[in-house]
Amino acid sequence: KAGVTQTPRYLIKTRGQQVTLSCSPISGHRSVSWYQQTPGQGLQFLFEYFSETQRNKGNFPGRFSGRQFSNSRSEMNVSTLELGDSALYLCASSLGRLAGGEQYFGPGTRLTVT
Amino acid sequence: QKEVEQNSGPLSVPEGAIASLNCTYSDRGSQSFFWYRQYSGKSPELIMFIYSNGDKEDGRFTAQLNKASQYVSLLIRDSQPSDSATYLCAVIGGSNYKLTFGKGTLLTVNP
Repeated sequence: KAGVTQTPRYLIKTRGQQVTLSCSPISGHRSVSWYQQTPGQGLQFLFEYFSETQRNKGNFPGRFSGRQFSNSRSEMNVSTLELGDSALYLCASSLGRLAGGEQYFGPGTRLTVT
Repeated sequence: QKEVEQNSGPLSVPEGAIASLNCTYSDRGSQSFFWYRQYSGKSPELIMFIYSNGDKEDGRFTAQLNKASQYVSLLIRDSQPSDSATYLCAVIGGSNYKLTFGKGTLLTVNP
């Protein structure tokens, strides 16, 4: 079974631009969660989607948004990029809701904002 | 007070020894607890999850949960050099149902 895939793997953007990241979960998984990982803050929860609905959201500004499609694929959008948005963005999928147990991470998208 | 705290390490143990990794959390209503392993340059991978007080064993790994003390630990028996990685503790909060990670503990197993 294929794992979680994320595209693109690397991205360089300029301050003020917007970016869209994509995540395809493991086949059959209905929950997708997004995380931001930086050396200073560690791994931080962005949001969780289940059955096309955002079920939970972390403490990030409204510039960070996402959505989930009927095939469970998810996209994350960051508008008006800031230098501090440079990070590794990870998505993870699980069969059911996040608290149910196992989730599997994708390889991540490395975003650099200049 | 940080929501999930771990010693940053590095924790260094000899091959074959028991590595003990600790984590404390602030939300007394927390309900689900996870340990992830992250190799340098790789994504986190789930090692264990535990919901109830007590011990849960899986091969060389044992997770221990004490809700009264708000403490969860991971023991790695017969540590191997391949266990060298950063170990992340994660907790689902009881009040906000969000997954919060600790900053991780870097473990080095010396041959």
